[in-house]
This record gives sequence, C-alpha cells and structure tokens, in this order.
Amino acid sequence: AQSVAQPEDQVNVAEGNPLTVKCTYSVSGNPYLFWYVQYPNRGLQFLLKYITGDNLVKGSYGFEAEFNKSQTSFHLKKPSALVSDSALYFCAVRDNTGNTPLVFGKGTRLSVIA
Amino acid sequence: KAGVTQTPRYLIKTRGQQVTLSCSPISGHRSVSWYQQTPGQGLQFLFEYFSETQRNKGNFPGRFSGRQFSNSRSEMNVSTLELGDSALYLCASSLVAEDTGELFFGEGSRLTVL
Repeated sequence: AQSVAQPEDQVNVAEGNPLTVKCTYSVSGNPYLFWYVQYPNRGLQFLLKYITGDNLVKGSYGFEAEFNKSQTSFHLKKPSALVSDSALYFCAVRDNTGNTPLVFGKGTRLSVIA
Repeated sequence: KAGVTQTPRYLIKTRGQQVTLSCSPISGHRSVSWYQQTPGQGLQFLFEYFSETQRNKGNFPGRFSGRQFSNSRSEMNVSTLELGDSALYLCASSLVAEDTGELFFGEGSRLTVL
C-alpha cells in the first residue's frame, strides 16, 4: 500500500525567503505525485503534479516540486515566499496501477512571516 | 462552471445519531471520492465511486457507508455517531477514475458530535 510522510508539522519562513515543504513517499511501482493547498475553512486546491518526464514540475502561484526517485521524495519549493502563501499543504501519492485511491500525508502548516 | 457542492456545510449531532452528507460533483465528472480530515490524522480516505460502483474503500468501520447515484451525485452516511467522528468530511470529484488526474474538492461538511 502506498503512503506519504510529511516530516514537518509546521514550517516558518520570512517573507521573501525561499521555502521548502518536504514530502517522502512509498509506493509499489511508479508513483503519481501531487501537491494540494488548503486555506482556512476551504477545501483543497490542486497545485501541481508529477506523472512522468522532467523531474522538476512547475505549478500554480510560483510553486515547483522536484521528484527524486532515489530518495523517494517530492519536495515543494518556492523561490520567494509571500505572506499569502500561509496555508496547509498536503502531499499525495497514488500508484500507476489504476486501482488505488489518492493517499495524502498529514499536512504541513506553512507560516510566512512579514 | 460550478464547483463541487457539499451539503450541509455545518452540522451538530449527538452520540448515537446518524448523519447523511451529500456531494454534487462538477458537471461531467463521474468519479467521486470522500475523505475525513482531522487535525491529528490529516486526510484519510473513505470511499471512491465511479459510475455508481464503489472502486475503493478505506479502513473505516462499517458504520461508514456511501453510494453514488446515476447523476454522479454521492452521499455518505455515518450511523451510531461517536465523538471521534467529529471531523471535516471532504468530497472530491474527477472526470473519470483516472490515475493521473487531479481531484477537485468541495469546501467540506463540518460535523460536530456532542
């Protein structure tokens, strides 16, 4: 069964600094990887995904993520953080069999301080 | 295009009662998934439906059940409510039961069990 680990419950970063939110995964076969963001009292919004191809994936709002197969990681990054990026971020994975649901990590709360 | 609609948005029940939550997917989407979100556990997968058939089921007790109708709308039911069932229940839809497609989430139904 697939699983996702987000080792940090909370990440604090100063506005204008680069940010990284970490994610590692476990899956049989090739992974399909996703990042979602949740703002207060809202559902989740899709940010980006890795299916195949270039290991660096670019998504919404200036976010990007790097797929590293050897380290089974898919860290979310942004070169310059904004206060408005403060939210709850979820990493998710499913395998490529077509028969399994999307499994989410427990989430990382990002706080960008002005 | 209207997004995923969940009703009710908020509800309060007492232990032992039962509850039914409704989800209307984005028009044309045939796949619906349900997740339970709690602060300590993050998002946990409940069910996935496609064309009225349950494709996957998470590790929840039999008190949790769901169904999907011919118009792709879905309901989930929790019987004999327990305090631990207090959570945000999120519904997500996708065009098909596609491995690589992102999910579109509703804003959730927040259930409080007293």
